Amino acid sequence: EIVMTQSPATLSVSPGERATLSCRASQSITTNLAWYQQKPGQAPRLLIYAASTRATGVPARFSGSGSGTEFTLTISSLQSEDFAVYYCQQYNNWPPWTFGQGTKVEIK
Amino acid sequence: QVQLVESGGGVVQPGRSLRLSCAAAGFSFSSYGMHWVRQAPGKGLEWVAVISHDGSNEYYADSVKGRFTISRDNSKNTLYLQMNSLRAEDTAVYYCAKTTVLRFLGDYFAYWGQGTLVTVSS
Repeated sequence: EIVMTQSPATLSVSPGERATLSCRASQSITTNLAWYQQKPGQAPRLLIYAASTRATGVPARFSGSGSGTEFTLTISSLQSEDFAVYYCQQYNNWPPWTFGQGTKVEIK
Repeated sequence: QVQLVESGGGVVQPGRSLRLSCAAAGFSFSSYGMHWVRQAPGKGLEWVAVISHDGSNEYYADSVKGRFTISRDNSKNTLYLQMNSLRAEDTAVYYCAKTTVLRFLGDYFAYWGQGTLVTVSS
């Protein structure tokens, strides 16, 4: 089973600042990685797939990068609606499909 | 547009059973694999089970193997999760999610339902 590790657990950022979230896979997953955003009481929302492709309707301030075992989600200028929990997920080696434990982006 | 609506959650005693449903609309249900993913209160996301578009293949997380059964009725555009021998640690919001690539299981989850809460407690 591939283990996904996200860091940091919590990221405190001021509105307008850049946020950088990391995700590491226990073995290579090429670029078979997705990022999801989840707000309280809501279902997860797909942001990025194939490590760097934005899903339909996702603002350009969200970008993904990386391959192999190291991945990054960058939010270039945080808006109030971006404060949420972010999960990475691998879909290269399955089953199981595995998620990271999440990074909470909170207002500084 | 794609719609996934879960139902069937509730409070159940340990050791009892519960069946969840996920009604799908807005896409060709019989052409896509479907997943169940759960989230315990205050915790992260955990994949539970997947079924292929035609029901011929099923996979389960080790934590539910032998207790949960995923199934589908393509004539009713509905996905199911039969949960037996429930434990306190099965308490979670259960989401159904749609695969993205036609007749292929190995991709990400572009569409999710709103979830249904299952509470296992005496």
